[in-house]
Amino acid sequence: AQTVTQSQPEMSVQEAETVTLSCTYDTSESDYYLFWYKQPPSRQMILVIRQEAYKQQNATENRFSVNFQKAAKSFSLKISDSQLGDAAMYFCAYRRGLGGSEKLVFGKGTKLTVNP
Amino acid sequence: DAGVIQSPRHEVTEMGQEVTLRCKPISGHDYLFWYRQTMMRGLELLIYFNNNVPIDDSGMPEDRFSAKMPNASFSTLKIQPSEPRDSAVYFCASSLAMGRLLDTQYFGPGTRLTVL
Repeated sequence: AQTVTQSQPEMSVQEAETVTLSCTYDTSESDYYLFWYKQPPSRQMILVIRQEAYKQQNATENRFSVNFQKAAKSFSLKISDSQLGDAAMYFCAYRRGLGGSEKLVFGKGTKLTVNP
Repeated sequence: DAGVIQSPRHEVTEMGQEVTLRCKPISGHDYLFWYRQTMMRGLELLIYFNNNVPIDDSGMPEDRFSAKMPNASFSTLKIQPSEPRDSAVYFCASSLAMGRLLDTQYFGPGTRLTVL
């Protein structure tokens, strides 16, 4: 079964600085997708960024980027120019590719605090 | 689009009572997912539907839980009888299948259930 591990239960960053959240996963599949979701205190799960395993180029969304290392099964999230609104729980998630189960497998999450 | 709609947002009930959670997916989406979030177990999939048909219900904890999707715009998750250990946040999510471009799952705001 696929597993997703987030080894940092909590992280903190100064406003305007850069922070990297770690995620590793275990799978025997070659086709899959990886996601980072943000959950602020409002509880809403918000998609931050996604990466298709067949793409070698790292995904980027404005201040958010990933470092996808397929051989190492690592998928870290970098947040640049951190803002107070970035404070939230961040969840890494895995999903099998085409023809597989559609369910997301989540890590336990990392709580990010942004200090002014 | 209004996004995924869930009701109620909060539910407090007593042990033994029946609880019904409701979800309206994003219009046009053909996949619907029910997740549960607890401190102990994190986010876990309970069941998901494709075109109103249950595909994977292996995450449903026990017979006290049931889910239905009578049409493309409505789903329910029912717990009968409820127990204190069912206290959690229940999320509904939906997504659109487009071949390899299987879309991201979009989450509703969640229902916080407290069973006393």
